[in-house]
This record gives sequence, structure tokens and C-alpha cells, in this order.
Amino acid sequence: EVQLVESGGGLVQPGGSLRLSCSASGFTVNTNYMSWVRQTPGKGLEWVSIIFAGGETYYADSVKGRFSISRQKSNNTLYLQMNSLRPEDTAVYYCVRVIIAIGTNDAGRWFDPWGQGTVVTVSS
Amino acid sequence: DIQMTQSPSSLSASVGDRVTITCRASQSISKHLNWYQQKAGKAPKLLISAASTLQRGVPSRFSGAGSGTDFTLTISSLQPDDFATYYCQESFNVRAWTFGQGTKVEVK
Repeated sequence: EVQLVESGGGLVQPGGSLRLSCSASGFTVNTNYMSWVRQTPGKGLEWVSIIFAGGETYYADSVKGRFSISRQKSNNTLYLQMNSLRPEDTAVYYCVRVIIAIGTNDAGRWFDPWGQGTVVTVSS
Repeated sequence: DIQMTQSPSSLSASVGDRVTITCRASQSISKHLNWYQQKAGKAPKLLISAASTLQRGVPSRFSGAGSGTDFTLTISSLQPDDFATYYCQESFNVRAWTFGQGTKVEVK
């Protein structure tokens, strides 16, 4: 069964750092596109970052220069290092696998599955 | 960046009603549009990919249509399990992704 389990969330002061982990089972993180998405009550779902199978990384403007996505083959885990945290980074953070489908009728890309989410609260 | 405008933000409906949610992209995204369902306290779940491809296990009362800039999600006959929040997502640019604001489907 394909599954993602996040951990590492918690309460952190503004300006602090936190590292989120996402343990995958049923597939290999290193050979897939993987992403982080966050959700706040006020702003809904917001894409945060993506890492391509080849290792390229991209970030939303709101986190560029502060967050870093990475992966570790040995333990099949995706990470999100979050530095210089701000109150507006408070959210539930989800880890997702990115499906890239190539074909004629149903080509596209989407997020599936999603982890259960981990809560990050940035507050003094 | 591509902007996604989803409407309505909420709606009230009864079991058996036909429900339609609309999503509009700020530029043409071909058929790179996905729909997710989220229930309270749970992660979103993929319902429809590439505008109209129903995922395995998703009931056939759900359907998606559209291409270019205008898309719809339709529930042909609303069931008790369908009361949830629905999000559209564009996937035109694999380096940046945008979600709609969400539509909460509530009991009338």
C-alpha cells in the first residue's frame, strides 16, 4: 500500500527553525516527484515546494530562501527544512507524491496520495 | 502565476440534488485541472485528474468537464457522504501549482 506519514511539526517561536519529515512506503521517494502543500484556515491550500525525480527543486515565492526540500534514499524519506519561520507559516503541512502521467487522453500531473499532515505553529 | 477562481465558496444542498462547482483559470491550462475532496480533519483526496478522469473507486455520480480556462465538477445526485469541501488545482506548470479557494458543500 502506498502511504505517506509526516512528522516533526510543533510549536516554534518566530525566527526559529523546524524540520519536517515524510516517511514513504509502497514506493521509492528518490524516483518520484514529491511535494509539500500547506493549509491554513484563512488561505486554504497552498503549494510550498517540489523536488523532481532528477533532484531539481522549486519553491513558492512565500517560502523561497527560507525553506529547503530534500530527500534521503537510505530511509525513503522526504524532508522540509524550514528556517526564519514567521507567524504566517502556521499551517498543517502535507507531504504528497506527484504523479506525472504521459498519454493521449488522460495525460497530466496530480497529487496522490497525501499524508495525514503535521501541524506547525509559529508563535511567541 | 496562474490564478484559480473557484465558485461558489459555499453552497447548501439536499441529498439527491445535482451540484455543480466551477473553476476558472487566469490563462489557458488545457486539461491540466484536478479536483480534490476534503472532509473535516482529513487530508484532501484526489477525485478527478486531467479535468475529467475519474479516479479508481470514486463513485460515478462525480464528473468533471472543461478545458482551456473553464472547468466544472458535477455531483449528479448528492449523497450524505459527499458533504465536504472541494478544491480545484491547476497543474499546467510543474514548477508551480495553484489551488482554488475551495467550495464547502453543506446540508440544506
